[in-house]
Amino acid sequence: QKEVEQNSGPLSVPEGAIASLNCTYSDRGSQSFFWYRQYSGKSPELIMSIYSNGDKEDGRFTAQLNKASQYVSLLIRDSQPSDSATYLCAVRKYGNKLVFGAGTILRVKS
Amino acid sequence: DGGITQSPKYLFRKEGQNVTLSCEQNLNHDAMYWYRQDPGQGLRLIYYSQIVNDFQKGDIAEGYSVSREKKESFPLTVTSAQKNPTAFYLCASSIGSGQFNQPQHFGDGTRLSIL
Repeated sequence: QKEVEQNSGPLSVPEGAIASLNCTYSDRGSQSFFWYRQYSGKSPELIMSIYSNGDKEDGRFTAQLNKASQYVSLLIRDSQPSDSATYLCAVRKYGNKLVFGAGTILRVKS
Repeated sequence: DGGITQSPKYLFRKEGQNVTLSCEQNLNHDAMYWYRQDPGQGLRLIYYSQIVNDFQKGDIAEGYSVSREKKESFPLTVTSAQKNPTAFYLCASSIGSGQFNQPQHFGDGTRLSIL
């Protein structure tokens, strides 16, 4: 079992729809959770972080964390073609190390 | 502007050659990291450093070496012992090990290929 698992996709959604990206993790001691967006050929950029159970909203993005079920998700409302990218889930276990999932490819069709 | 600068953007290595990738940050961050990304895969940790003059191996340290003589700099050497070095190399930094909620921020990366 991988430490951080994501569906590789591609996830295709029409423009204006809600994109839902999911991530599960294996270590119950994980403390912090991050979503990064990575455009093709570019480096990852941080879009959301979440530390407590529940929802955290920032503009069109909502991160959801459920520690009991060991999953974290990212919702993108009003999806735009510019949201098309690979979304990486990262989990902080201990120290300051992050473990990354392999990423989900999102395609928003206009 | 504060940020993380990686150089060069593209690098080619000959057989048996060591090459060094540069990473400099002016964010005053204590912790720095090196990752490797292969096509279609997530990031794998090579080495990390939480303080000057100290560093630890990550998950795939074999064939790589690092140094941390200055807070701002964390160069990565890909040695000839690394038989499959072709990948996208990413340097990251974060505030410090005690700040567990602080995210890592990335440089623009270096693409390394074998000649």
